[in-house]
Amino acid sequence: AQSVTQPDIHITVSEGASLELRCNYSYGATPYLFWYVQSPGQGLQLLLKYFSGDTLVQGIKGFEAEFKRSQSSFNLRKPSVHWSDAAEYFCAVGRGGGGNKLTFGTGTQLKVEL
Amino acid sequence: EAGVAQSPRYKIIEKRQSVAFWCNPISGHATLYWYQQILGQGPKLLIQFQNNGVVDDSQLPKDRFSAERLKGVDSTLKIQPAKLEDSAVYLCASSLAGLAGANTGELFFGEGSRLTVL
Repeated sequence: AQSVTQPDIHITVSEGASLELRCNYSYGATPYLFWYVQSPGQGLQLLLKYFSGDTLVQGIKGFEAEFKRSQSSFNLRKPSVHWSDAAEYFCAVGRGGGGNKLTFGTGTQLKVEL
Repeated sequence: EAGVAQSPRYKIIEKRQSVAFWCNPISGHATLYWYQQILGQGPKLLIQFQNNGVVDDSQLPKDRFSAERLKGVDSTLKIQPAKLEDSAVYLCASSLAGLAGANTGELFFGEGSRLTVL
């Protein structure tokens, strides 16, 4: 069975500081990996995705993530956090393709201090 | 391009009452999903449709929850009777058909319907 672990429930960073959110997955085949962001009262918006090729992927809003197969990880990073990045971040894993089924982690709540 | 539409955005009911949520996916998306997101948790899949057929409803509490997608487009999720633990955000999502590869299976989400059961 596929699963995702996000070990950090809450993270607080100062504006302008760097950010890394951790994600570990369990999947029996080649994983398709995603990071979504959810602002209060909103649905989930895709930040970035990985399915093959370069293990460092770029996303929207200046985010990037690195796929490390040996560590079963897909950590999300941003060099300099903005106050508007405060939100909840979800990592997800699936098999890709039509009819894909995504399994989500429990999320990391990011707070940004001004 | 229009996104996934959901209604109502908010609903407050008392336990044992019934409620229905509606979802209209992105045009051309064959797969439609209903997820339940309880406060402080990640989204959990309730049911997945491919066109108008059910692909996976293993996590759907069938004694009280039902869902349909009669014409392979929009969908309705119903809860009857509601329990306190059904308080959650119900997220609808859709995705394209096609083989894995360039089709990463990305899900596109609506804004959700927040249910409060008193």
